[in-house]
Amino acid sequence: KAGVTQTPRYLIKTRGQQVTLSCSPISGHRSVSWYQQTPGQGLQFLFEYFSETQRNKGNFPGRFSGRQFSNSRSEMNVSTLELGDSALYLCASRIQGEGYNEQFFGPGTRLTVL
Amino acid sequence: DQQVKQNSPSLSVQEGRISILNCDYTNSMFDYFLWYKKYPAEGPTFLISISSIKDKNEDGRFTVFLNKSAKHLSLHIVPSQPGDSAVYFCAARNNAGNMLTFGGGTRLMVKP
Repeated sequence: KAGVTQTPRYLIKTRGQQVTLSCSPISGHRSVSWYQQTPGQGLQFLFEYFSETQRNKGNFPGRFSGRQFSNSRSEMNVSTLELGDSALYLCASRIQGEGYNEQFFGPGTRLTVL
Repeated sequence: DQQVKQNSPSLSVQEGRISILNCDYTNSMFDYFLWYKKYPAEGPTFLISISSIKDKNEDGRFTVFLNKSAKHLSLHIVPSQPGDSAVYFCAARNNAGNMLTFGGGTRLMVKP
């Protein structure tokens, strides 16, 4: 079974631009969560989608948004990029939204904002 | 306000010895705790977990201890192996939702 895939793996943008990252969950997984990893801050939760609906949202500004498609694939968008948005963006999928079950992470997208 | 903290950014241990990674939390609503391991250029992988109703969970060389009164958990790796060298994250789940709150990570280096 294929794991969680994220595209692109690396991205370089300049301040003010916008970016869209993509995540394909493990087949059969309906929940997708996004995290931002920066040095010293660990992984910070951005949002979770289940059945095309945002279920939970972390403490990030409105420049960060996401969506989920009917095939459970998810995208996150960051508009008006700032230098501080440089980070590794990880997505994780799990089977269902209710109750706890293990999250499986993708390899991440490394975003560099110049 | 960091609700989950890993106060040691790095730890160096000799092969064969015990590695102890620590994690503190502040939110008493956390009911489930997990440890993840992360190698460079890969996403975190689940290692071991513990429910708040238990104080110990063991899986092979890995044991997680939970001290609820102290709001502290630790991961013991015995014996440590060079392949264990990675960044370890502890994470906690709030029983009001399913999102995980992660600590900042501890980089473990196991020397041969």
